[in-house]
Amino acid sequence: GQNIDQPTEMTATEGAIVQINCTYQTSGFNGLFWYQQHAGEAPTFLSYNVLDGLEEKGRFSSFLSRSKGYSYLLLKELQMKDSASYLCAVPEPYNTDKLIFGTGTRLQVFP
Amino acid sequence: GAGVSQTPSNKVTEKGKYVELRCDPISGHTALYWYRQSLGQGPEFLIYFQGTGAADDSGLPNDRFFAVRPEGSVSTLKIQRTERGDSAVYLCASSSTSYRDRDAGELFFGEGSRLTVL
Repeated sequence: GQNIDQPTEMTATEGAIVQINCTYQTSGFNGLFWYQQHAGEAPTFLSYNVLDGLEEKGRFSSFLSRSKGYSYLLLKELQMKDSASYLCAVPEPYNTDKLIFGTGTRLQVFP
Repeated sequence: GAGVSQTPSNKVTEKGKYVELRCDPISGHTALYWYRQSLGQGPEFLIYFQGTGAADDSGLPNDRFFAVRPEGSVSTLKIQRTERGDSAVYLCASSSTSYRDRDAGELFFGEGSRLTVL
């Protein structure tokens, strides 16, 4: 099985940069996903990392270190609309079609 | 429609009743997933279909829960003898392929069906 750990809540100011961390323990790594979920809405895909390093996609970047079992999501130039939960997820080992989610990090952006 | 559609969006029922939740995936998506999400938690895996067959139902909490996808498209999640602990948002997601394909393995979620058992 696997264990996923991320902070429960974070706050930040509009225009700032925030880093949301995720650590995981798994017996077989097959990539890591980040999803965004606004309150009362469906989760939406943000990124997928399978190799070490930073992947940039506009204001959002995702980093992975497989040796450390660690990922982070970096949000730049924060906007009020970025207030949401950010879910870290990894596929189950040897059953990669089954995605296991962390509890999510609730980010609140203040003006 | 263009996205995953779930009905009903809200369902209030009494303890002991039977409930059906429906999911209409994105056209052409062969993989369909049911997740359950409680307040302040991440989605919890229930069951996964590839085509008509349940490829993995290990997340179903007990035999009161059952899901079908008879024609490989629409799926129904069925809950018998509902209990208060079943109250949650039930999310359906579909995907065109498995996670092994990096570019197309993302899940597309519906808005969910909020179930409240009184």
